[in-house]
Amino acid sequence: AQSVTQLGSHVSVSEGALVLLRCNYSSSVPPYLFWYVQYPNQGLQLLLKYTSAATLVKGINGFEAEFKKSETSFHLTKPSAHMSDAAEYFCARTATNKLIFGTGTLLAVQP
Amino acid sequence: KAGVTQTPRYLIKTRGQQVTLSCSPISGHRSVSWYQQTPGQGLQFLFEYFSETQRNKGNFPGRFSGRQFSNSRSEMNVSTLELGDSALYLCASSLVGGHSSYNEQFFGPGTRLTVL
Repeated sequence: AQSVTQLGSHVSVSEGALVLLRCNYSSSVPPYLFWYVQYPNQGLQLLLKYTSAATLVKGINGFEAEFKKSETSFHLTKPSAHMSDAAEYFCARTATNKLIFGTGTLLAVQP
Repeated sequence: KAGVTQTPRYLIKTRGQQVTLSCSPISGHRSVSWYQQTPGQGLQFLFEYFSETQRNKGNFPGRFSGRQFSNSRSEMNVSTLELGDSALYLCASSLVGGHSSYNEQFFGPGTRLTVL
């Protein structure tokens, strides 16, 4: 079955520390993959996308993700966390005419 | 270019009532998808419309229905509301949608439905 797994429903980092949010997908054929961010009471905003052009993908707000086929992973990273990064992050993959989302990771940034 | 708009933003209904939510996609986008977001179930796909035709449907009861108009605007309807229908309903639009192809979806702010 096609699925997306996000390890860690809550992640807390200090301001200025590395952010690492984990995402693994299950599929025999690599799908297209996305990271979305959701701020309170708002919709989803696309951070970055993997569409097979390059394995290291850079997105907005300093985030990037690396597609690793051997590990079926697409982890999201940011070298230095900012207070404004506090939000919920969703990894998603394509399926027929829809997106399948992971359960989300709530990122807290401590001053 | 205006983004995806959803109306209303907030809605309070009582059990047994029915509700209609509206979504206007980005100009030129022909595919509209609906998702339900709840704390317990996360983001669940409801259905997707393209050129007024439903192309895909998630695992929801028949109380959930939708339609798309010729201008690509879409509505979803929930009849006989239950407490468990309380959720954030998100609409997303994309240019053409498609089968397991690259399908960047742009999301609206959502409609927060509370069922009392």
